[in-house]
Amino acid sequence: GDSVTQMEGPVTLSEEAFLTINCTYTATGYPSLFWYVQYPGEGLQLLLKATKADDKGSNKGFEATYRKETTSFHLEKGSVQVSDSAVYFCALRTASGGSYIPTFGRGTSLIVHP
Amino acid sequence: DAGITQSPRHKVTETGTPVTLRCHQTENHRYMYWYRQDPGHGLRLIHYSYGVKDTDKGEVSDGYSVSRSKTEDFLLTLESATSSQTSVYFCAISELGQEAFFGQGTRLTVV
Repeated sequence: GDSVTQMEGPVTLSEEAFLTINCTYTATGYPSLFWYVQYPGEGLQLLLKATKADDKGSNKGFEATYRKETTSFHLEKGSVQVSDSAVYFCALRTASGGSYIPTFGRGTSLIVHP
Repeated sequence: DAGITQSPRHKVTETGTPVTLRCHQTENHRYMYWYRQDPGHGLRLIHYSYGVKDTDKGEVSDGYSVSRSKTEDFLLTLESATSSQTSVYFCAISELGQEAFFGQGTRLTVV
């Protein structure tokens, strides 16, 4: 079945450092790929998405490129801020028997220190 | 923000009692999902719905049932709550070709 593997955390960085959170996937067909962010006590919010190979999703300084050849969708940001501290989830969605079911990784906690 | 409301937001219940969580949407989206979130496991799908009265099981459906009698409401029922069902439960909605939108979550504690 479909699955998403992302690096375990927590990832601890100083403010203005470069961020990479790795995500790889296994899926049948051609999935859409997503990064979600969860702040403490809240639900998940969509951060960015890509729907086909070589697409780059971007939002709020975060970027991720859909790499079909390596089945990856790594999240990057050039300069993190304290306010970026949250849990980040990589996800994919494929159609299974006509139903669109999102599959999530386990989440990576990011802690940014001033 | 997408119109998704989960109720209650917090609940403490005793082992063996029935519990129903409600997810209400105002977006008229076709797909609705129930996930549970636990440390070390991320989000795991319990049940989902692809239309009124059309539901199917996810990877952790044992001990849970769902119902969807109208487009806007998706109910998750724990027939006889157990301590292993202590978790944070999230409802999500989506439409064809679109991303999923999440509710704020329900924190359930079974004592």
